[in-house]
Amino acid sequence: NAGVTQTPKFRVLKTGQSMTLLCAQDMNHEYMYWYRQDPGMGLRLIHYSVGEGTTAKGEVPDGYNVSRLKKQNFLLGLESAAPSQTSVYFCASNTLAESYEQYFGPGTRLTVT
Amino acid sequence: GEDVEQSLFLSVREGDSSVINCTYTDSSSTYLYWYKQEPGAGLQLLTYIFSNMDMKQDQRLTVLLNKKDKHLSLRIADTQTGDSAIYFCAENPPTSGGSYIPTFGRGTSLIVHP
Repeated sequence: NAGVTQTPKFRVLKTGQSMTLLCAQDMNHEYMYWYRQDPGMGLRLIHYSVGEGTTAKGEVPDGYNVSRLKKQNFLLGLESAAPSQTSVYFCASNTLAESYEQYFGPGTRLTVT
Repeated sequence: GEDVEQSLFLSVREGDSSVINCTYTDSSSTYLYWYKQEPGAGLQLLTYIFSNMDMKQDQRLTVLLNKKDKHLSLRIADTQTGDSAIYFCAENPPTSGGSYIPTFGRGTSLIVHP
């Protein structure tokens, strides 16, 4: 199993450009999440999904949109990037069994100039 | 406050014990977790404890849970330089919709000196 993968690993955008980050998991997990990590701020939840076709807002959803058209994929979109969205983005997934342990992807480092 | 709280830095000498403390917020959390993040990588589960337990031991790791004070700690015995990383405490309270959405602390950077 590849676990949780994220595409791309790095990206530089200009202010106002758009992009989509792709997260894929091959563990048949029901829940998927997008976080951003900034120095000293820990992990902040952007959006999450409890199943195919459903999404919900997290702590910092403004400026982002998400879609979960397939169970294994969770897309994060930035329609008009701003410098404040410079961050490292992590995707995670988990199942509802056992300890609800989250599995994280390796991250996407995004810089908006 | 409403945040999961943990100190930001801890520095220890190789071979000593490390203790990382955390205060969580929601007593209805079923599980409490410690995740480890190495440089340039995502988080990885280190250990977890079920809410009806007081202690869990796993090789060099000991987790203590005080539900009355909502306090969680992680002790690493015989700390090694390879233990240098950021350690995140997390809880998973139920939401009004019946989901369990984890909440993370800001992370404690553990620095191990030779």
